[in-house]
Amino acid sequence: AQSVTQPDIHITVSEGASLELRCNYSYGATPYLFWYVQSPGQGLQLLLKYFSGDTLVQGIKGFEAEFKRSQSSFNLRKPSVHWSDAAEYFCAVVNYGGATNKLIFGTGTLLAVQP
Amino acid sequence: EAGVTQFPSHSVIEKGQTVTLRCDPISGHDNLYWYRRVMGKEIKFLLHFVKESKQDESGMPNNRFLAERTGGTYSTLKVQPAELEDSGVYFCASSQALGQGRTEAFFGQGTRLTVV
Repeated sequence: AQSVTQPDIHITVSEGASLELRCNYSYGATPYLFWYVQSPGQGLQLLLKYFSGDTLVQGIKGFEAEFKRSQSSFNLRKPSVHWSDAAEYFCAVVNYGGATNKLIFGTGTLLAVQP
Repeated sequence: EAGVTQFPSHSVIEKGQTVTLRCDPISGHDNLYWYRRVMGKEIKFLLHFVKESKQDESGMPNNRFLAERTGGTYSTLKVQPAELEDSGVYFCASSQALGQGRTEAFFGQGTRLTVV
């Protein structure tokens, strides 16, 4: 069955430090992958997506993610974290079998940023 | 352009009562999705509308949940009667025409439902 695993439930980093959030997926076909962010009081906002092509994708707010098929991973990175990046981050894969492009989400990683 | 809008943002109801959640998708988006996040767990798919038709309702938990999308515009999700385990955040998302997975879903801010 299709699934997404985010092994880190909660991460704390210092402002200015680098960040990597892990995501592993299980999907039988070519995966279409997403990272969403939910800031306090906000909805889910798309950070970036991978459909095909260059395995390193750039997103908004200075985030990037790298698709590694051999490791079934799509880790999210940012070289220097800002206090405003404190939020919950969700990795997702599209299950596009049939007529529904429904998203399968991981359990999320809550990021705290300390001064 | 307005994004996906959900009402109410919060709702606290007693067990056994009825609650109706509303979602206004982005104008022109034929696809409308409902998702739910129960505390501490992943966001899970509930159902998918294409215009006014239910395309996939495989994620609906049970028959206490009823979703409608009259006229293919806004959608409602009714829970009747509500149970404690229905508590969570209900998200709505919309997207343009399907492209074999290559589509972006835009999410609303969610409705936090608490059943006491």
